[in-house]
Amino acid sequence: GDSVTQMEGPVTLSEEAFLTINCTYTATGYPSLFWYVQYPGEGLQLLLKATKADDKGSNKGFEATYRKETTSFHLEKGSVQVSDSAVYFCALSAVGRYSTLTFGKGTMLLVSP
Amino acid sequence: DAGITQSPRYKITETGRQVTLMCHQTWSHSYMFWYRQDLGHGLRLIYYSAAADITDKGEVPDGYVVSRSKTENFPLTLESATRSQTSVYFCASSPTSGGAGIYNEQFFGPGTRLTVL
Repeated sequence: GDSVTQMEGPVTLSEEAFLTINCTYTATGYPSLFWYVQYPGEGLQLLLKATKADDKGSNKGFEATYRKETTSFHLEKGSVQVSDSAVYFCALSAVGRYSTLTFGKGTMLLVSP
Repeated sequence: DAGITQSPRYKITETGRQVTLMCHQTWSHSYMFWYRQDLGHGLRLIYYSAAADITDKGEVPDGYVVSRSKTENFPLTLESATRSQTSVYFCASSPTSGGAGIYNEQFFGPGTRLTVL
């Protein structure tokens, strides 16, 4: 079945450091790919998405590119802030099941001043 | 403009008791979802609903019951709570699917932290 694998955390960075959180997936066909973010004590919010190969999703300085050849959707940010501390979830929406999501286990990011 | 709300936010119960978690959305979204979040597992789909009176099982439905008599409400019932159901439960909603290849964002509630003793 469909699955999402993302790097385990926590990822600990200093403010202004470069961030990469790896995400790979297994799915049939061409799923849509997403990053959701969960701030402490809150529900998840959509951060960015990409719906076809080579698409780049971007939002709030975060970017991720849909790489079909490596089945990856790595999240990057050039300069993190303390306010980016949160749990980040990679997810996919399978072909033909566009209203349900399969999530990775989440990666906690901790940014210190 | 409440969006999507869940109640209660925190609940402690005992093994064997029935518990109902409530979810209410004000957007008239067609789709609603229940997830549980556990360390080491991320989010797992319990049940979802495409419209009133239409529900379907997700990845981990055992031990849970749902109903959807009104579009805006999607309660989740644990008929006989077990310790393994201690978790944080999230409800989400989404507009009608846009069709093949078109994904509509899911909007999440704040969660209910359930402890089963």
